[in-house]
Amino acid sequence: NAGVTQTPKFQVLKTGQSMTLQCAQDMNHNSMYWYRQDPGMGLRLIYYSASEGTTDKGEVPNGYNVSRLNKREFSLRLESAAPSQTSVYFCASNSDRTYSNQPQHFGDGTRLSIL
Amino acid sequence: QKEVEQDPGPLSVPEGAIVSLNCTYSNSAFQYFMWYRQYSRKGPELLMYTYSSGNKEDGRFTAQVDKSSKYISLFIRDSQPSDSATYLCAMKSEGGSEKLVFGKGTKLTVNP
Repeated sequence: NAGVTQTPKFQVLKTGQSMTLQCAQDMNHNSMYWYRQDPGMGLRLIYYSASEGTTDKGEVPNGYNVSRLNKREFSLRLESAAPSQTSVYFCASNSDRTYSNQPQHFGDGTRLSIL
Repeated sequence: QKEVEQDPGPLSVPEGAIVSLNCTYSNSAFQYFMWYRQYSRKGPELLMYTYSSGNKEDGRFTAQVDKSSKYISLFIRDSQPSDSATYLCAMKSEGGSEKLVFGKGTKLTVNP
């Protein structure tokens, strides 16, 4: 039972490089989310997708783009990486219904360092 | 005032102790309350999920919600070294489009 799978687990980039973080869930969930977690800042929502075909900005969307490729997959792209984007990125999903109050289930994260 | 406040700790207790973890919040519209456990270099894992006020028990874990005081707690009985982790509270209002708001987490160490 994989749940939410994120790839890669670790990545080091140089400033200005681009990269796509991948996320897939096998729970037939409609809604998917991208967060970043920084020391002392907690989890902050970057983007979310309430259902296939829709995406919306969260609290800290600047410098990121997302694609909801299909119901299972939700990717996060950094077009021109900056050192301030060094963080741990988590993908989450919840519910087989759109706009649910059900709790979110998280992947194990991608640790991204930008030099 | 931040929407959700959580003491970051760290909190260190001996094995077998009762642990109390707490969050306060300011938004009276919050109705759904969660506790997540996060081991080092892992993602948050859902521990407890409660709706509105009251208590919920699951094994050694008890979640309490006091909406009148805007205060939630997680109690861990007979704590074990395997309970060593960061505990995150999270909450949201009614309505699926409302976002989940997280506390910053409390780091707990249970010493054998």
